[in-house]
Amino acid sequence: DAGVIQSPRHEVTEMGQEVTLRCKPISGHNSLFWYRQTMMRGLELLIYFNNNVPIDDSGMPEDRFSAKMPNASFSTLKIQPSEPRDSAVYFCASSSLNEQFFGPGTRLTVL
Amino acid sequence: AQSVTQPDIHITVSEGASLELRCNYSYGATPYLFWYVQSPGQGLQLLLKYFSGDTLVQGIKGFEAEFKRSQSSFNLRKPSVHWSDAAEYFCAVGANSGYALNFGKGTSLLVTP
Repeated sequence: DAGVIQSPRHEVTEMGQEVTLRCKPISGHNSLFWYRQTMMRGLELLIYFNNNVPIDDSGMPEDRFSAKMPNASFSTLKIQPSEPRDSAVYFCASSSLNEQFFGPGTRLTVL
Repeated sequence: AQSVTQPDIHITVSEGASLELRCNYSYGATPYLFWYVQSPGQGLQLLLKYFSGDTLVQGIKGFEAEFKRSQSSFNLRKPSVHWSDAAEYFCAVGANSGYALNFGKGTSLLVTP
């Protein structure tokens, strides 16, 4: 298996623009997680899905953030409009019973 | 609520020396505990995990960790560090193996010649 796939790997955008991050989980995994990593706050959970259903979105910073999982093999995290404070590395992870596997992350820079 | 504390932000060790990275957790029930490693520009890789049973857990790359319930700790150890071990190390706690994780702030390991 190719592991968790995230795209793009790097994204540079201007404040106010819409940003969409994509994730393909490992086939057969039924849970998917979005995390954000910053120097100040470390790794934070944004939202997670179980069987494509959002279970906990309490970590989503505000209404500018939204996440979807239309099927078992694809998820998106959208920021609209983006702000400079959204600059971070965004990780997607998927899990089987006992382990979360992380993707390589998307480094987002909002100018 | 779950929380994880990694008291050491940075640690420097000489190559070949032993290593111990500290992790303390706060959780009401029996926690699911994990150690992950992150190399620069990379994602997180699982080193080891503890769910139940033997409190000394062996992981990849020669790492081990010991769960001590009385101290609410899950410290990571390696008897002899290699230069390639230089990375960021994260301790994490979960309520269940399939649930989201709470991560510590990480410990940055520097290995000197």
